[in-house]
Amino acid sequence: SQKIEQNSEALNIQEGKTATLTCNYTNYSPAYLQWYRQDPGRGPVFLLLIRENEKEKRKERLKVTFDTTLKQSLFHITASQPADSATYLCAYPLEPGGYNKLIFGAGTRLAVHP
Amino acid sequence: DSGVTQTPKHLITATGQRVTLRCSPRSGDLSVYWYQQSLDQGLQFLIQYYNGEERAKGNILERFSAQQFPDLHSELNLSSLELGDSALYFCASSGGGEPYEQYFGPGTRLTVT
Repeated sequence: SQKIEQNSEALNIQEGKTATLTCNYTNYSPAYLQWYRQDPGRGPVFLLLIRENEKEKRKERLKVTFDTTLKQSLFHITASQPADSATYLCAYPLEPGGYNKLIFGAGTRLAVHP
Repeated sequence: DSGVTQTPKHLITATGQRVTLRCSPRSGDLSVYWYQQSLDQGLQFLIQYYNGEERAKGNILERFSAQQFPDLHSELNLSSLELGDSALYFCASSGGGEPYEQYFGPGTRLTVT
């Protein structure tokens, strides 16, 4: 069965530094990966989608990479701010062709300290 | 605000009871998804509907059922509730088809006592 792993330990960084979060997956290579942000008690908010033929995607201070050889996606937040503190989830299709039937990682909690 | 609405926000009920959670998708979205999020399980996909038809199923228990109505709102019915069903239940919507991002509602917090 599909597995998706994110660093379960919280990531603590200083304001202004770059945060890097990791998402590793097993078995088949998904056609795309998505990243979401979730604040406590609230629904996840979509951030970025990267397809298997894209090495890198950027949106403002966010950058996502997708390495199908390593079966890994990296999520970067540059010039981090305390407001970036949240849990970040990665997700991908549960099965080939199951475009929107997603499996989510457990998430990595990011804390940005002033 | 994602544009997805869910009611109620909180629900407290006893074991053995039945509850109905309601979701209205974003305007124009045809797909609705239901997820369960508990502390020890993370976000789990339950079921997807597209324009009134069931499209995909995840690890949804037989005690749970869902439907999507002609006006595209959806309901998730949970019956014979157990303590372990206590969780946050999220509804999400998307345009369907291509791998569109999903827009999540604020969730319903269910507590079974």
